[in-house]
Amino acid sequence: NAGVTQTPKFQVLKTGQSMTLQCAQDMNHEYMSWYRQDPGMGLRLIHYSVGAGITDQGEVPNGYNVSRSTTEDFPLRLLSAAPSQTSVYFCASSIEAGALQTQYFGPGTRLLVL
Amino acid sequence: RKEVEQDPGPFNVPEGATVAFNCTYSNSASQSFFWYRQDCRKEPKLLMSVYSSGNEDGRFTAQLNRASQYISLLIRDSKLSDSATYLCVVNIGTGNQFYFGTGTSLTVIP
Repeated sequence: NAGVTQTPKFQVLKTGQSMTLQCAQDMNHEYMSWYRQDPGMGLRLIHYSVGAGITDQGEVPNGYNVSRSTTEDFPLRLLSAAPSQTSVYFCASSIEAGALQTQYFGPGTRLLVL
Repeated sequence: RKEVEQDPGPFNVPEGATVAFNCTYSNSASQSFFWYRQDCRKEPKLLMSVYSSGNEDGRFTAQLNRASQYISLLIRDSKLSDSATYLCVVNIGTGNQFYFGTGTSLTVIP
């Protein structure tokens, strides 16, 4: 199993550009989520999905869209990039939704918005 | 107010030392608690869950104090390989959202 994979590893965008961060898992996990990690802020939940076709907002959803058309994939879209979205983005998955579930993280995408 | 708060450190300890980290959470409805480890420029990985009665995994001991709303992690006989950032994680409410602390940095010195 490859686990949770993310592409790209690094990306530089100009303000106003749009892009999609890809996340895929091959563990047949139902629950997937996106976090951003900023210095002094810890990881903050952007969006999550408890299964294909179901998504919901997390703590910091503004400026981001998600969809979950398959169990495996959970892309994160930046509609119009802003410098405040410069961050490290982590995708995570777990077998199912629930308070006791272990989160498995991808290697992250480092995004710089100029 | 942040849901989860940790002392960022850094903690610099010699090999073989015992070190303890604390973490406080603000929501009394919090359901589950974890410690994750994050190496520099890597993804977080689960270190251990924290159970109400306290639990141990080798050199690592986790404790939960619901009355005071804090979680602790004790590392005994520190190894160089323990150098990392330790993240306190809490799950609140429906179980679908996890809240991470900012992490506590540990460096074990030879």
